[in-house]
Amino acid sequence: GDSVTQMEGPVTLSEEAFLTINCTYTATGYPSLFWYVQYPGEGLQLLLKATKADDKGSNKGFEATYRKETTSFHLEKGSVQVSDSAVYFCALSDSRSSGNTGKLIFGQGTTLQVKP
Amino acid sequence: DAGVTQSPTHLIKTRGQHVTLRCSPISGHKSVSWYQQVLGQGPQFIFQYYEKEERGRGNFPDRFSARQFPNYSSELNVNALLLGDSALYLCASSLGGDNSPLHFGNGTRLTVT
Repeated sequence: GDSVTQMEGPVTLSEEAFLTINCTYTATGYPSLFWYVQYPGEGLQLLLKATKADDKGSNKGFEATYRKETTSFHLEKGSVQVSDSAVYFCALSDSRSSGNTGKLIFGQGTTLQVKP
Repeated sequence: DAGVTQSPTHLIKTRGQHVTLRCSPISGHKSVSWYQQVLGQGPQFIFQYYEKEERGRGNFPDRFSARQFPNYSSELNVNALLLGDSALYLCASSLGGDNSPLHFGNGTRLTVT
């Protein structure tokens, strides 16, 4: 079945460092891909998304490109801030339910800690 | 506008008991999904309801059930609680159309002792 694999954390960076969090997926169809962020004590917030191959999602300085050839959707940010410290989840929509985002398959999450 | 609201925020139950968790979606959202998030892991899909009909079910035992009401709010019920049911239960709502984004609530933290 469909699955998502994220790089193990925690990732610890200094402020203004470059961030990459790797995400690869396995899917039989053409899923949409998402990055969600979870701050301590809160639910998940959608950070960005891409719905088809070669699409680039971007938000708040974060970017990720839907790479079908490498089945990847790596998250990047050029200069992280302390306020970016959170858990980041890569997810895909169930490829058997084209377009339906109610059922998402999540990776295990990557904790990012940014130090001043 | 109010976001997705869940109640209660925290709950402690004993093995074998039953629990009901509640979710109110964002106004205008017709789809509600439930997820279980065990500590240190990503959320796992439990159910999706759209227009009061079950639209999808994850790999969870029959002890888990849900329903959606005419006002689109939803309840998740878990019977015969096990220690392994301890988790953060997340509710998410969306408009329900293709590629409409999910909006998550802050969850209900369930502890089973």
